[in-house]
Amino acid sequence: EVQLVESGGGLVQPGGSLRLSCAASGFTFSSYWMHWVRQAPGKGLVWVSHIKTDGSNPIYADSVKGRFTISRDNAKNTLYLQMNSLRAEDTAVYYCVRGRVNLWTPPSYYYYMDVWGEGATVTVSS
Amino acid sequence: EAVLTQSPGTLSLSPGERATLSCRASQSISSNYLAWYQQKPGQAPRVLIYSASSRAPDTPDRFSGSGSGTDFTLTISRLEPEDFAVYYCQQYASAPPSVTFGGGTKVEI
Repeated sequence: EVQLVESGGGLVQPGGSLRLSCAASGFTFSSYWMHWVRQAPGKGLVWVSHIKTDGSNPIYADSVKGRFTISRDNAKNTLYLQMNSLRAEDTAVYYCVRGRVNLWTPPSYYYYMDVWGEGATVTVSS
Repeated sequence: EAVLTQSPGTLSLSPGERATLSCRASQSISSNYLAWYQQKPGQAPRVLIYSASSRAPDTPDRFSGSGSGTDFTLTISRLEPEDFAVYYCQQYASAPPSVTFGGGTKVEI
């Protein structure tokens, strides 16, 4: 069974740090781009970051650039999100998501997210 | 970076009715990189449509996607009780690389 399981969420004070992990199973983790997507309470989905199969060229939403770092360990089938300088507005459920990407081979280009974890709750509050 | 605006914010319909959801981009985007997701309360989202009109595996054929340029549509031909949920569109842009979601449309009874 294809599965993504997030861990590491919790309560942290403003300015603090937290590292989320996402354990992947049931598929060849190293073959897929991976994402983090977040959802504040009662709000919509917000994409945070993605990372390519080999860990190169991660990109970030402007709201987290310079504070968050995405990384992966293909040997451990694990995705990470290091979150520093946390703010109240970072409070959200953070989803680990598998990406399906074809940016290079015509004609069937695509970019979407097909497997989602259950999410990890991060609360930033004093 | 394109902004995606979904309308209406809420759609009140009955089972058996047709639902038409709109996703409008602030600038022209590639239909190859437009996807639709469904999210039910307390659950993670799931992909329904990718590349604007391709159904993801396990997506019922009552769901269809269309559009190009700046205007995209998700249509549910006949609403089933399990279709009442929030729907999001999402796009990827390559230059510079960015990913954005629309604000969502809630389909309610």
